[in-house]
Amino acid sequence: QSVLTQPPSVSGAPGQRVTISCTGSSSNSGSIYDVHWYQQLPGAAPKLLIYGNNNRPSGVPDRFSGSKSGTSASLAITGLQVEDEADYYCQSYHFRLSGPYYVFGTGTKVTVL
Amino acid sequence: EVQLVESGGGLVQPGGSLRLSCAASGFSFDDYAMHWVRQSPGKGLEWVSGISWDSKNIDYADSVKGRFSIARDNAESSLYLQMNNLRPEDTALYYCAKGRVVNLSYYMDVWGTGTTVTVSS
Repeated sequence: QSVLTQPPSVSGAPGQRVTISCTGSSSNSGSIYDVHWYQQLPGAAPKLLIYGNNNRPSGVPDRFSGSKSGTSASLAITGLQVEDEADYYCQSYHFRLSGPYYVFGTGTKVTVL
Repeated sequence: EVQLVESGGGLVQPGGSLRLSCAASGFSFDDYAMHWVRQSPGKGLEWVSGISWDSKNIDYADSVKGRFSIARDNAESSLYLQMNNLRPEDTALYYCAKGRVVNLSYYMDVWGTGTTVTVSS
């Protein structure tokens, strides 16, 4: 089964830039599908942060940006703020013999120092 | 306001059954695919199942295939998840999510707050 691997944690001081990687496994190398990102604040439901690799839904600050190249994607947070402390998950879509499925990354906890 | 409200969670013994519901409002429910996603305590997100707007396409994660069944009632703007033969590893917070498909983008743009399922003797 395909896996999207993220670093367990990243941290930065307020105002700094942090990046979170999302790397596909060999079973989904060369995936043509887009990557999306979700933010989960402590005790809350996930919220769509980035869709289609690099698009922000209305209301998401422009300090959040995404990119994708080959089997890897990344989320960047510039001008880190205290309220950005949360868990972040990447997500994509894959086909397998038994049908399509949605896969989430392993998740990254962002800590603001 | 777009809203998804889950219900039906609870404590159930291993091997038991439970039916989750999700009430949708604020959007044209019958225009969108819908999904169930779960999160075990302290763990990450796991997609469970998805259903197309017309119920013609249904998919499941391998971990629940043959035990769980997803359904929807467009007239009632409701999504369901019938869970049978429950196992302790099914213990999780279950989220209902609205699906979007745009070209090569398959994602969820609205999430409910979840309902908790605990499988334990």
